[in-house]
Amino acid sequence: DAGITQSPRHKVTETGTPVTLRCHQTENHRYMYWYRQDPGHGLRLIHYSYGVKDTDKGEVSDGYSVSRSKTEDFLLTLESATSSQTSVYFCAISKDSLGTYEQYFGPGTRLTVT
Amino acid sequence: EDQVTQSPEALRLQEGESSSLNCSYTVSGLRGLFWYRQDPGKGPEFLFTLYSAGEEKEKERLKATLTKKESFLHITAPKPEDSATYLCAVQANNDMRFGAGTRLTVKP
Repeated sequence: DAGITQSPRHKVTETGTPVTLRCHQTENHRYMYWYRQDPGHGLRLIHYSYGVKDTDKGEVSDGYSVSRSKTEDFLLTLESATSSQTSVYFCAISKDSLGTYEQYFGPGTRLTVT
Repeated sequence: EDQVTQSPEALRLQEGESSSLNCSYTVSGLRGLFWYRQDPGKGPEFLFTLYSAGEEKEKERLKATLTKKESFLHITAPKPEDSATYLCAVQANNDMRFGAGTRLTVKP
């Protein structure tokens, strides 16, 4: 158990509304990541953070923004949700640089955009 | 473009029937290959990391191997509790790419 929690665990929202998902870790790891998981696509990286206020884009960052004001919290924001953003979102942490060490995942947030 | 392909998409085995899952990849500058297990409704759970061709790792009934172009996850005498989706991921430079997974079902 890597001490990762995600909130909310489930959310239904309407097209055009803003949505923020939260990832919280208890072990002060430097690297945090947001992925989305869709059938047939596997996990795809949205954004990642390598420290407080240090973030970078991943493979599918369009329509998403992130913020990290504290080591333990990494927020993912959909400024104006669209139906294509219906997915399961996972947060992950790693102990060191991206991919050099294994990643540990949170329980996920199921987001439905109607 | 970096790609990770897992096969088969789904595999059904009888308890005790050994088999292998495949993960083939095309990346430049492989830094690590990772195997995860994912149960329905949960996040992926880390299993193994392999760094270089020829490397092998074992955990209970699972053994992961790595060549220059693919990795295999061998499952020996599987039990129903091994049923899950197994994900492969490769890391090259600053990018982590996941395969779509193999859904394994082990029948008693």
